[in-house]
Amino acid sequence: GAVVSQHPSWVICKSGTSVKIECRSLDFQATTMFWYRQFPKQSLMLMATSNEGSKATYEQGVEKDKFLINHASLTLSTLTVTSAHPEDSSFYICSAREQQSSRAQFFGPGTRLTVL
Amino acid sequence: AQKVTQAQTEISVVEKEDVTLDCVYETRDTTYYLFWYKQPPSGELVFLIRRNSFDEQNEISGRYSWNFQKSTSSFNFTITASQVVDSAVYFCALSEPGAGTASKLTFGTGTRLQVTL
Repeated sequence: GAVVSQHPSWVICKSGTSVKIECRSLDFQATTMFWYRQFPKQSLMLMATSNEGSKATYEQGVEKDKFLINHASLTLSTLTVTSAHPEDSSFYICSAREQQSSRAQFFGPGTRLTVL
Repeated sequence: AQKVTQAQTEISVVEKEDVTLDCVYETRDTTYYLFWYKQPPSGELVFLIRRNSFDEQNEISGRYSWNFQKSTSSFNFTITASQVVDSAVYFCALSEPGAGTASKLTFGTGTRLQVTL
């Protein structure tokens, strides 16, 4: 099956610093990748849709200047949390939709961000 | 707007019991996709099934089965003879058709299943 990786799997940072999370599709090409955030014991909330070679589409209420998304290739999307604060602490999950697929999304293992 | 409701927040069963997880959805689209994902304690989402709105056939995969009832907008998931390894949070999700390559997933709030010995 299609494999999606995320790096790092967990990160602890100080308030005010920026953190970059990578999402890679390992064995398929993904024109579209999605970034979700999941707070403890809550559901996944879509943050943004990332399309290769174009600007990401952000969901309502998500600050595009705070959560920078880059999708420079068909196998890599990055999410940078700028000037992180404790309230940004969460589980960030990416998913990738296979170029030839009919709607199936494959999820990465997630990145747990803790901001002190 | 799309909405997915998983009314059962937590379910606890004893191993070997059958358990059904409910999922009710709302959409104005006539074409859509429904999904079930499993999220074990490790956090990684595991894809279980995808069903399109035109296919109402029930599906069985080993101990797992799914019942899609378009008339009641439900897509329920049954685990037969549950095992401890089934303990996880299960999410039901709905995908809008999307323009081009976009296919946003709307997730339910999840049902936490605890299977004990």
